[in-house]
Amino acid sequence: TQLLEQSPQFLSIQEGENLTVYCNSSSVFSSLQWYRQEPGEGPVLLVTVVTGGEVKKLKRLTFQFGDARKDSSLHITAAQPGDTGLYLCAGEDAGNNRKLIWGLGTSLAVNP
Amino acid sequence: DAGITQSPRHKVTETGTPVTLRCHQTENHRYMYWYRQDPGHGLRLIHYSYGVKDTDKGEVSDGYSVSRSKTEDFLLTLESATSSQTSVYFCAISVGGLPYEQYFGPGTRLTVT
Repeated sequence: TQLLEQSPQFLSIQEGENLTVYCNSSSVFSSLQWYRQEPGEGPVLLVTVVTGGEVKKLKRLTFQFGDARKDSSLHITAAQPGDTGLYLCAGEDAGNNRKLIWGLGTSLAVNP
Repeated sequence: DAGITQSPRHKVTETGTPVTLRCHQTENHRYMYWYRQDPGHGLRLIHYSYGVKDTDKGEVSDGYSVSRSKTEDFLLTLESATSSQTSVYFCAISVGGLPYEQYFGPGTRLTVT
């Protein structure tokens, strides 16, 4: 059974701080996707990483895919209250009818 | 905007009653999914579809059935609702080729009393 473990589960920080969220597995994925979900809404895709070692930046958010394509991290620089939400990672197992393996999420609260 | 709508957005029903949730997409994508989201369990796949009348079970399919008679509509039915099916239900579509990214609807909050 493929699993994705996210850590930490909860994070409460002050505006302006930096943070890193981790997504780890013992399985290899063909891609790793990060989503953000706000209360009362569906998850929204932030980024997809495909190549081992790949780094993608989205403004203050930096996403990295591990060299072995088993893990990923999300780093937020100078967090803002608007970054508050649930961050989910999902791994793609190529050929599995496009089904994704989901982590349980990291709930981030950025306090003004 | 992936053009996904879900109806109803909120529903309260009694134990033992049948309930149907609807997911509608406007762009004729082949792959559609139903998830439920619960605290401590994350997103769990209920059923998915890979074409009209082509569906398969996910990891938590017991007590649920689905139908897809048109490309744009994917229906989730709870034949006899139970309190354990109180949850937020999300529909998603998969777009394009590799990587298989998913785009979600706004969700339906279902309460079974």
